[in-house]
Amino acid sequence: GAVVSQHPSWVICKSGTSVKIECRSLDFQATTMFWYRQFPKQSLMLMATSNEGSKATYEQGVEKDKFLINHASLTLSTLTVTSAHPEDSSFYICSAIGAPGRTDTQYFGPGTRLTVL
Amino acid sequence: EDQVTQSPEALRLQEGESSSLNCSYTVSGLRGLFWYRQDPGKGPEFLFTLYSAGEEKEKERLKATLTKKESFLHITAPKPEDSATYLCAGTNNDYKLSFGAGTTVTVRA
Repeated sequence: GAVVSQHPSWVICKSGTSVKIECRSLDFQATTMFWYRQFPKQSLMLMATSNEGSKATYEQGVEKDKFLINHASLTLSTLTVTSAHPEDSSFYICSAIGAPGRTDTQYFGPGTRLTVL
Repeated sequence: EDQVTQSPEALRLQEGESSSLNCSYTVSGLRGLFWYRQDPGKGPEFLFTLYSAGEEKEKERLKATLTKKESFLHITAPKPEDSATYLCAGTNNDYKLSFGAGTTVTVRA
């Protein structure tokens, strides 16, 4: 139980285009979802927290107009990287909490590798 | 400011050679201390949650313990498949995780 999926697993795009990443909780309803990015050899950096039906809360230094988060339902959150540039290339990982019996535990998706050319 | 520090950065073990990873934390109002395992190119996999000093959790060759200021992850008789980066994180009332930098464990056969 407590499975989180992400799609796509990897994406390559040209500079200036937008990319959408989906995060789904497959077997539980997620009260909250989180988005992280991870650079090589570094730990996870929290970008934003989202709750279904409300605006995401962004961490300091994260551009909300560049990283659009939509939490459309209790099982789906999307991250759109708008006008992507090479410096946005990174590993993006989502997580969700709300699994029965472990409502305080974040379960992570497999990650999405974004490469911007 | 919440801070989680892990040591060592890297650990190279021979198969069967037991060892411990350290996680020291200063998280105000700590609700839980989490351990995750992350394989290269994958998302973190949940291992344990510890809530109070003195608590211990075990799973196969792994055992996590918690004191008031630090947590340890003991790996007993490790196998090559235990090679991974182990992440420690603390959380308070907002469910956000403050991650340490991780300890990369390599187990040689």
